[in-house]
Amino acid sequence: EAQVTQNPRYLITVTGKKLTVTCSQNMNHEYMSWYRQDPGLGLRQIYYSMNVEVTDKGDVPEGYKVSRKEKRNFPLILESPSPNQTSLYFCASSRQSGNTIYFGEGSWLTVV
Amino acid sequence: EDKVVQSPLSLVVHEGDTVTLNCSYEVTNFRSLLWYKQEKKAPTFLFMLTSSGIEKKSGRLSSILDKKELFSILNITATQTGDSAVYLCAVEAATSYDKVIFGPGTSLSVIP
Repeated sequence: EAQVTQNPRYLITVTGKKLTVTCSQNMNHEYMSWYRQDPGLGLRQIYYSMNVEVTDKGDVPEGYKVSRKEKRNFPLILESPSPNQTSLYFCASSRQSGNTIYFGEGSWLTVV
Repeated sequence: EDKVVQSPLSLVVHEGDTVTLNCSYEVTNFRSLLWYKQEKKAPTFLFMLTSSGIEKKSGRLSSILDKKELFSILNITATQTGDSAVYLCAVEAATSYDKVIFGPGTSLSVIP
């Protein structure tokens, strides 16, 4: 079954404690990205990757890092989380431009 | 600046009503417009529109794009409670990395 898998799905953490949200896709897609979703703001892109070892900033990259060492994995790293990073995060993948975007189930992150 | 605007932001209707959701955009190098349905989980793909005036249909849902006026509508006829969701409009821009810009979404509630 084609899917994008994120973990953890729910997390409460404290300010400054580094955390990683993993993302894995089994569709051999080149393109992967991370979004955060906040009320009234829709989905905003944090980082994207067009292929292995190719990553770039989206619209709201501050406070986040990513890596793409393997095609299937695209982890999101919060080195020092702050309360304004409390949000719903989605990982997404697609084969290339013009193709359907597949989303993970979402990760609810709360930073206190 | 690229942007996608949706209206209304929220809507409450009764079962059986017909609704029209609006999406307008200002995007450089338009490639395609996408509609997604989001219940309390990941967005699921509905339609991709690339050409003006060609209606896409899936059951009670249909959508059309006007590239001259830079907008799209999503129609839902004979609404059911299962149609209650947030409907997201997104536009893909043909930049160096084929950026996808999401609108804020329209929250639709269908009451019996």
